[in-house]
Amino acid sequence: NAGVTQTPKFRVLKTGQSMTLLCAQDMNHEYMYWYRQDPGMGLRLIHYSVGEGTTAKGEVPDGYNVSRLKKQNFLLGLESAAPSQTSVYFCASSHQGGVRGNQPQHFGDGTRLSIL
Amino acid sequence: SQQGEEDPQALSIQEGENATMNCSYKTSINNLQWYRQNSGRGLVHLILIRSNEREKHSGRLRVTLDTSKKSSSLLITASRAADTASYFCATGSNYQLIWGAGTKLIIKP
Repeated sequence: NAGVTQTPKFRVLKTGQSMTLLCAQDMNHEYMYWYRQDPGMGLRLIHYSVGEGTTAKGEVPDGYNVSRLKKQNFLLGLESAAPSQTSVYFCASSHQGGVRGNQPQHFGDGTRLSIL
Repeated sequence: SQQGEEDPQALSIQEGENATMNCSYKTSINNLQWYRQNSGRGLVHLILIRSNEREKHSGRLRVTLDTSKKSSSLLITASRAADTASYFCATGSNYQLIWGAGTKLIIKP
């Protein structure tokens, strides 16, 4: 099983350029998440989705958009990249938590993005 | 905003020794999870402890949870070189996990 696959693994952009980060999971998970990880900080949630066709804002959504047209895919878009968006981006997925709360999240290996 | 705070930020021990990492959090939780991250890789789930549990074991891992003190600890016994990684706690409520900044563990041969 591939689990969670992120593409691309590395990318360098110029300020103002746009791009889309792709995330695919083959575990039939309902929930999917996009995080960014910066040095010395924990993961910060950008956007998440609790099902196909639904998305919601996380802690740091500004400058990003997402779409979940298919259950297995979750796309993260940067419309006009800024140097402050230089980071490592992780996608994760999980089964729905229900009344017992969150389930373990499964992560991809990240996309390392540099904005010049 | 960070919910969990790990302590220490970095820990270096000899192979074979035990490693203890602590996590404190601020608000009520449904559960607390620990993850490991090897350099250049994604996070891997280690163990989940629910708010009504006090202790949980998985192999060489032992996790405790004290909801009155809003704290948790992760103990790795008989450490190995392969345990070198960063360890993160995350607290769950609603749909989201909120993450600490992590403890960087180095196991010296």
